Amino acid sequence: SQQGEEDPQALSIQEGENATMNCSYKTSINNLQWYRQNSGRGLVHLILIRSNEREKHSGRLRVTLDTSKKSSSLLITASRAADTASYFCATDGYSGGGADGLTFGKGTHLIIQP
Amino acid sequence: DVKVTQSSRYLVKRTGEKVFLECVQDMDHENMFWYRQDPGLGLRLIYFSYDVKMKEKGDIPEGYSVSREKKERFSLILESASTNQTSMYLCASSFHRNTGELFFGEGSRLTVL
Repeated sequence: SQQGEEDPQALSIQEGENATMNCSYKTSINNLQWYRQNSGRGLVHLILIRSNEREKHSGRLRVTLDTSKKSSSLLITASRAADTASYFCATDGYSGGGADGLTFGKGTHLIIQP
Repeated sequence: DVKVTQSSRYLVKRTGEKVFLECVQDMDHENMFWYRQDPGLGLRLIYFSYDVKMKEKGDIPEGYSVSREKKERFSLILESASTNQTSMYLCASSFHRNTGELFFGEGSRLTVL
């Protein structure tokens, strides 16, 4: 079942600007992950944030997690044309014993205008 | 570099044909997954496997089966392909059972005519 929902569905910005994408989910989690997908390719893992963490950085990426609101955001700073891709959040849907892989949202399609 | 390899990037099959999608990983991961991806629906889990000869149904297993005879190989089988199975199929593997990073293949785009 779909757990994460990204917002917005599509985002177009100018090169150099910051891009922010949001993800909301429904049930308790152990961690939340963000993935990137270039057109017609597989997904690539970007960053994982655990449920006891509030913020995490990796290069130009900054992820926040608010478990009280069941939401996360991905910020890409100083965007580049090569950042054009779809971005997905994924949750592990912790259910105290269940094991059913990651559940992905529908993604945010980011376009960076040169 | 870790690698998940899907045997075919593009396939065109006819309705009723039996289709095999193969996936091989070289990371000695125990966990392997098959997802399908459709516009507006995102990624949906079809089947997964946590060990050789073991399989579990995901969210949308109907019309599919899987095979895991060796640790490195996880096959998705469409016993009788239908047009509504036209989709992008993504294989993934992971080290941790339920919470770790997934490594994806490049995808197999299947068209059923």
